[in-house]
Amino acid sequence: EAGVAQSPRYKIIEKRQSVAFWCNPISGHATLYWYQQILGQGPKLLIQFQNNGVVDDSQLPKDRFSAERLKGVDSTLKIQPAKLEDSAVYLCAAGRDRGSYEQYFGPGTRLTVT
Amino acid sequence: AQSVTQLDSHVSVSEGTPVLLRCNYSSSYSPSLFWYVQHPNKGLQLLLKYTSAATLVKGINGFEAEFKKSETSFHLTKPSAHMSDAAEYFCVVSVNAGGTSYGKLTFGQGTILTVHP
Repeated sequence: EAGVAQSPRYKIIEKRQSVAFWCNPISGHATLYWYQQILGQGPKLLIQFQNNGVVDDSQLPKDRFSAERLKGVDSTLKIQPAKLEDSAVYLCAAGRDRGSYEQYFGPGTRLTVT
Repeated sequence: AQSVTQLDSHVSVSEGTPVLLRCNYSSSYSPSLFWYVQHPNKGLQLLLKYTSAATLVKGINGFEAEFKKSETSFHLTKPSAHMSDAAEYFCVVSVNAGGTSYGKLTFGQGTILTVHP
């Protein structure tokens, strides 16, 4: 099966600008996750979708971050406006179903905010 | 609440010598535990998982880990390191507790493994 696709792979923006990341998960995988991985740290969950509904967004900074998964397949994560501390790798992962322990990760998008 | 502590941020070994990456966890419920590996510029890959079956778990590339409930540990080992093992390793905990935590992965800080020729 094909893996999780993410784009772009790299993005450099200035603070206060907006940016969007795209994720195409594995076909048939109902659960989709967005993680933020700051340099030197482990990934931190931002938001979890089950099909097109949000299961957990407790760690998402909702004043500047938003995410959607309209048709239960692709997902976008947006930051508006970006801050310096948002510099990180943004990882998308797919799971077969909620509670499915194995998650399949995409290569990530490395964001640099200057 | 659940958490993971990886006891070493960096581990350096010589090729052909054993590898030990240490992990302790904290969980209010029976945990599932995982090790993921991240090679530079590549996605995270599942190395092995413990989900309440055998306490000694074998994974890919000769790695294994033992779940020790009394010590709340899940250390990763390999008898003989290979150059290709050089990467960052993450210990991860998940609990089947229902609610919003169901299926949620909590990652440790990571251990960078360096393998010298």
